Amino acid sequence: QLVLTQSPSASASLGASVKLTCTLSSGHSSYAIAWHQQQPEKGPRYLMKLNSDGSHSKGDGIPDRFSGSSSGAERYLTISSLQSEDEADYYCQTWDTGIRVFGGGTKLTVL
Amino acid sequence: QVQLQESGPGLVKPSETLSLTCTVSGASISSYYWSWIRQPPGKGLEWIGYIYYSGSANHNPSLKSRVTISVDTSKNQFSLKLNSVTAADTAVYYCAREAAAQYFDFWGQGTLVTVSS
Repeated sequence: QLVLTQSPSASASLGASVKLTCTLSSGHSSYAIAWHQQQPEKGPRYLMKLNSDGSHSKGDGIPDRFSGSSSGAERYLTISSLQSEDEADYYCQTWDTGIRVFGGGTKLTVL
Repeated sequence: QVQLQESGPGLVKPSETLSLTCTVSGASISSYYWSWIRQPPGKGLEWIGYIYYSGSANHNPSLKSRVTISVDTSKNQFSLKLNSVTAADTAVYYCAREAAAQYFDFWGQGTLVTVSS
């Protein structure tokens, strides 16, 4: 079964960097994912598609501070030079034939 | 710029059918897959189902057979019907475009649907 696992919460200081993790279920380590950001009281926004080799393609207008990387079954979203508006929920999402799957989301707090 | 806008009743009675429409602008509905996603209050995102302009559709097995998704290419719209609703179906409902039938690259702003008598 295709499942994405995320830590429920993360925190980092203003101006620092943070790395969020999304883990693919066993047998699915070659799958690409997408990262989405949901700021408080807003709809989600597409950040990037992230492949298993770490290559990624970002959505229009996504700052260079957002980057992605991969290692095995883990997919990472790194946000550098954290700003207050980065405080949000971050969801990873993947797909297979006939299905789309979301991770549970990580709530990022900027201290 | 691609824009999606959900519309429909904000209040539905238990056991009745929830009906929503997504109007797409800035892109032809005939070129992509289109999905519905929901988010119960305070919870995460749940994919409901997708449709292609040809009418080919699929939905989350967890919703069993309560879901019907349709498309109207003449109006550049697609729609969701969820029958036999309960309070557990109370959520913000989003429509979204799928890039390459994979990930959601454009989202609507969402509409809250409350199931209550």
